[in-house]
Amino acid sequence: RKEVEQDPGPFNVPEGATVAFNCTYSNSASQSFFWYRQDCRKEPKLLMSVYSSGNEDGRFTAQLNRASQYISLLIRDSKLSDSATYLCAAADNFNKFYFGSGTKLNVKP
Amino acid sequence: GAGVSQSPRYKVAKRGQDVALRCDPISGHVSLFWYQQALGQGPEFLTYFQNEAQLDKSGLPSDRFFAERPEGSVSTLKIQRTQQEDSAVYLCASSLALGQGVREQYFGPGTRLTVT
Repeated sequence: RKEVEQDPGPFNVPEGATVAFNCTYSNSASQSFFWYRQDCRKEPKLLMSVYSSGNEDGRFTAQLNRASQYISLLIRDSKLSDSATYLCAAADNFNKFYFGSGTKLNVKP
Repeated sequence: GAGVSQSPRYKVAKRGQDVALRCDPISGHVSLFWYQQALGQGPEFLTYFQNEAQLDKSGLPSDRFFAERPEGSVSTLKIQRTQQEDSAVYLCASSLALGQGVREQYFGPGTRLTVT
C-alpha cells in the first residue's frame, strides 16, 4: 500500500466550477502536508502548504483532517489555466516527502 | 532569485553506460533531495542531504546509484551500468529545512533519462 493515495481522475469540469480533491495518507506520524501542481513534462511547483487549521489562498483552500488522515484541496471558480496534475505530499519528521500519484484536472471552456 | 537548476535536461544512455546528473540548489538552501519520477507516478524519494552530510539514502534502488554533495552545495547523482528500468525523470529539490523542521521543497526542472 502506498503511503499517500490519490484518485488519479481525470476530473473534467467546466470553467467556473468548484472542484475538490482528497488525498489520504497512511502514516499517522506524518507532520506536514503540501499540495503541488505539475504541468505536463514540467517539475512540480508548490501550490500551498496545509496547516492544521486549514488555509486559503485566493481560489484555493486546503484542509487537513488528522483523525481520518486525509487532506483536501478545493478550487473555486476554475480557470482553464488550472488544468494540471495536482500532487499531494506528506512529510515525516525527517523531511522525507511521500507523494501521491497525482490527480489530473481538465478545465473545459 | 534563481531557482534550482539541473543538467543535463535530457540524457540518452546506452544500457551499461554510467551517467552523472547535476543539481544546483537555491542559494542558501541547506537541504537537498533527489527524487525519481516514472511516467504517471508521483516523485519517489531517493536520497537527502543536509549540507554535505547524506542523512538518508534509503530510497536509492540499488548500489548502482550513488549521490554526493561534497561541499554542501552542488550535488551529483551517479548511476552506474544503467538499465532500462532506470529510465525516468530525476528531480532535485532544495529547502531551507534544518534539523527536524520540515520546510517546503522547491524542485528543479529535472533530467529526463532514457536508457536504450
